Amino acid sequence: AQRVTQPEKLLSVFKGAPVELKCNYSYSGSPELFWYVQYSRQRLQLLLRHISRESIKGFTADLNKGETSFHLKKPFAQEEDSAMYYCALSGYSGAGSYQLTFGKGTKLSVIP
Amino acid sequence: DGGITQSPKYLFRKEGQNVTLSCEQNLNHDAMYWYRQDPGQGLRLIYYSQIVNDFQKGDIAEGYSVSREKKESFPLTVTSAQKNPTAFYLCASSTSGANTGELFFGEGSRLTVL
Repeated sequence: AQRVTQPEKLLSVFKGAPVELKCNYSYSGSPELFWYVQYSRQRLQLLLRHISRESIKGFTADLNKGETSFHLKKPFAQEEDSAMYYCALSGYSGAGSYQLTFGKGTKLSVIP
Repeated sequence: DGGITQSPKYLFRKEGQNVTLSCEQNLNHDAMYWYRQDPGQGLRLIYYSQIVNDFQKGDIAEGYSVSREKKESFPLTVTSAQKNPTAFYLCASSTSGANTGELFFGEGSRLTVL
């Protein structure tokens, strides 16, 4: 079974402070990890994926297989980063199909 | 305007009634999904379909049913057997194939059982 854990329901930081949203996973195979974001009154959308190893809106995330983690980081938080963030894992679910499993989400609040 | 359209946005239902939520996509995606979003619970997969005329149960399929008669449509029926149907429902689609992981979501439908 695959599982994604986001230990923090709510994270509040001051503008300009570093941000780290934690994500740990459990999966027997080689995982594909993603971060999704939902801004207020907008659709849930993909923020970044680990295989692309890119920085989106200043955010980065590194897959650490030893610690089974995929934490999302940004050196300097901006007010517009306030949103709900979901970590997700895509794993094989049998019969040639893959299933995306989401964590429970972390609400990031950036204080001006 | 390409994307996923869910309707209705808000729906009220009396206990014991079935209700169907619509999901249409014009992205030409093979795969479609239904998730349920509850506060503090994240997104939980109800049903998914990788191809027309085929679908599989997700983690919380009990009390729900789906059909996939057309590529662009994946309606979800919340039956009276669903014990706690009040929730926010999200439909999504993706390209098929190995491990894409990028889902495109609709705006959601909020169902309230009175």
